[in-house]
Amino acid sequence: AQKVTQAQTEISVVEKEDVTLDCVYETRDTTYYLFWYKQPPSGELVFLIRRNSFDEQNEISGRYSWNFQKSTSSFNFTITASQVVDSAVYFCALSEEKDGGSQGNLIFGKGTKLSVKP
Amino acid sequence: DTGVSQNPRHKITKRGQNVTFRCDPISEHNRLYWYRQTLGQGPEFLTYFQNEAQLEKSRLLSDRFSAERPKGSFSTLEIQRTEQGDSAMYLCASSLRDYTEAFFGQGTRLTVV
Repeated sequence: AQKVTQAQTEISVVEKEDVTLDCVYETRDTTYYLFWYKQPPSGELVFLIRRNSFDEQNEISGRYSWNFQKSTSSFNFTITASQVVDSAVYFCALSEEKDGGSQGNLIFGKGTKLSVKP
Repeated sequence: DTGVSQNPRHKITKRGQNVTFRCDPISEHNRLYWYRQTLGQGPEFLTYFQNEAQLEKSRLLSDRFSAERPKGSFSTLEIQRTEQGDSAMYLCASSLRDYTEAFFGQGTRLTVV
């Protein structure tokens, strides 16, 4: 069965600190997709990144970076020089591939609430 | 606004009443999904449509729940004979067939009293 575990329920940091959000997944599929979403207090889930299982290259987008390691089934997310606006709940999610593309049926972790204090 | 739109944003209903929510996806998106999110949890998949066809339903979707997507455009999610356990945020998302990024609406928060 597919499963996503985000062991950190809440993290609190002071502005400008770096913070890493952990994500561990379980799947029997050889082809799958991993995602990170941000949910600010307004409630709308905001897509951050998608990574397929064949692409283990790390990715950097501004202050955000992602470390995908198949050997440990982890897809961790790091925010560098955190800002107050980064305060939100962050979800890691997994989906399996069907018909040549992601089914889109996302299995979410329970989320990590990040609080960035000024 | 070209994002996913959900209405109403909030709904309070008495136990036993029926409620209906609406989702308008991004116009060119063929796939539409419904998720449910309870406090402190991640979203849980309920069902999804490819155009007007409902292709998968989660076991979470009891007989009291029904979803439609007439003409492959907007979708409705109806809950009959609501129970307190139905209280949750109901999220709608859409995506292009050949892409996997799902874009979410702001959700409908249902409170059953």
